[in-house]
Amino acid sequence: DVKVTQSSRYLVKRTGEKVFLECVQDMDHENMFWYRQDPGLGLRLIYFSYDVKMKEKGDIPEGYSVSREKKERFSLILESASTNQTSMYLCASSSGTGVHEQYFGPGTRLTVT
Amino acid sequence: AQRVTQPEKLLSVFKGAPVELKCNYSYSGSPELFWYVQYSRQRLQLLLRHISRESIKGFTADLNKGETSFHLKKPFAQEEDSAMYYCALSPDSNYQLIWGAGTKLIIKP
Repeated sequence: DVKVTQSSRYLVKRTGEKVFLECVQDMDHENMFWYRQDPGLGLRLIYFSYDVKMKEKGDIPEGYSVSREKKERFSLILESASTNQTSMYLCASSSGTGVHEQYFGPGTRLTVT
Repeated sequence: AQRVTQPEKLLSVFKGAPVELKCNYSYSGSPELFWYVQYSRQRLQLLLRHISRESIKGFTADLNKGETSFHLKKPFAQEEDSAMYYCALSPDSNYQLIWGAGTKLIIKP
């Protein structure tokens, strides 16, 4: 059973703070993804990684960066949090071969005040 | 451009009534299509994929390449079907997913 875990379920930060969101998967998946989920907008891809130390920008990378130093861990960094980054953040992973099903973490509800 | 459209943001039906959640896509190749579901306070999870041609929790979805649609159907809705449903497309040889905006399904008792 694939397990994707995220470091926090809820997070409240102040404008300008640096924020770290961490994601860990235990299925040896090559691909990992960070999305934000907003009502009416669906899931929007922020960044993804298809291998250790590799990263690619998604649709909305501005204001975010990522780090993948180990295969199982993918971190999302908000360099200077702003109120428009208040959202639900979802991490996902998928195998690099075969079916492209993505497995999701429980999400982190981030509020920036 | 590759796109997935779910025209209904909200769909409300009575328990026992048929349900159809619409999904249209724009893609010139042979896509892999999925329906994901998110129940209240639960993580997003795969409901079904078109290549499996299976029925999960009474739901089915047929890929119609002529109409570029992948509508999700269930003949008799149940209250536990209330959830957020997302349609997603995986282009050829690509591990990314292109997502629709989602449809919130509410089943009224």
